[in-house]
Amino acid sequence: RKEVEQDPGPFNVPEGATVAFNCTYSNSASQSFFWYRQDCRKEPKLLMSVYSSGNEDGRFTAQLNRASQYISLLIRDSKLSDSATYLCVVNWIGGGADGLTFGKGTHLIIQP
Amino acid sequence: EAGVTQFPSHSVIEKGQTVTLRCDPISGHDNLYWYRRVMGKEIKFLLHFVKESKQDESGMPNNRFLAERTGGTYSTLKVQPAELEDSGVYFCASRPGTGSYGYTFGSGTRLTVV
Repeated sequence: RKEVEQDPGPFNVPEGATVAFNCTYSNSASQSFFWYRQDCRKEPKLLMSVYSSGNEDGRFTAQLNRASQYISLLIRDSKLSDSATYLCVVNWIGGGADGLTFGKGTHLIIQP
Repeated sequence: EAGVTQFPSHSVIEKGQTVTLRCDPISGHDNLYWYRRVMGKEIKFLLHFVKESKQDESGMPNNRFLAERTGGTYSTLKVQPAELEDSGVYFCASRPGTGSYGYTFGSGTRLTVV
């Protein structure tokens, strides 16, 4: 399984600011892309899927650049509750394989 | 709807002992996955069941790990004998069918081998 690379951070951001982070993936055959959020000592939870056309969910915007194998996440008007680790995740299905490949995560700290 | 349930939530065992982790997926989910996060590393895939069959076990570290899913319902992951490097958080996930959506993770089992 191929790698997913992320800047581990931490990103220290004041409340209300906009923050962006990204990841790169090495398997060009990757088919599906996600951002997961993981709180301390909790399980990963799906934040949003990422589509080639870009997609938005409230304050969160995700972008995918297949040519550059690059995925981004933008958080606007950050809240204290956004503090978490954000995991970039890709999926490749084929040849009997089907599972998620995770990055190490980017640690985000929103400061009051 | 009940989520993915894992137990125990924590386990501390001595090197050389055996531990069995259990995962109850969401009812009706044919696909069940095991993942592991070792300290300082990313979450890594271990294996994938479709119903009771092992679809992909390419991520299993070695033959000390044995996963089963009898009857296609709950799954167990046995580590025998446990080694220090097996310490980590073991996550189970399930999803209903084909496609890449709908993975639901359990809260994990934190395994510490001393």
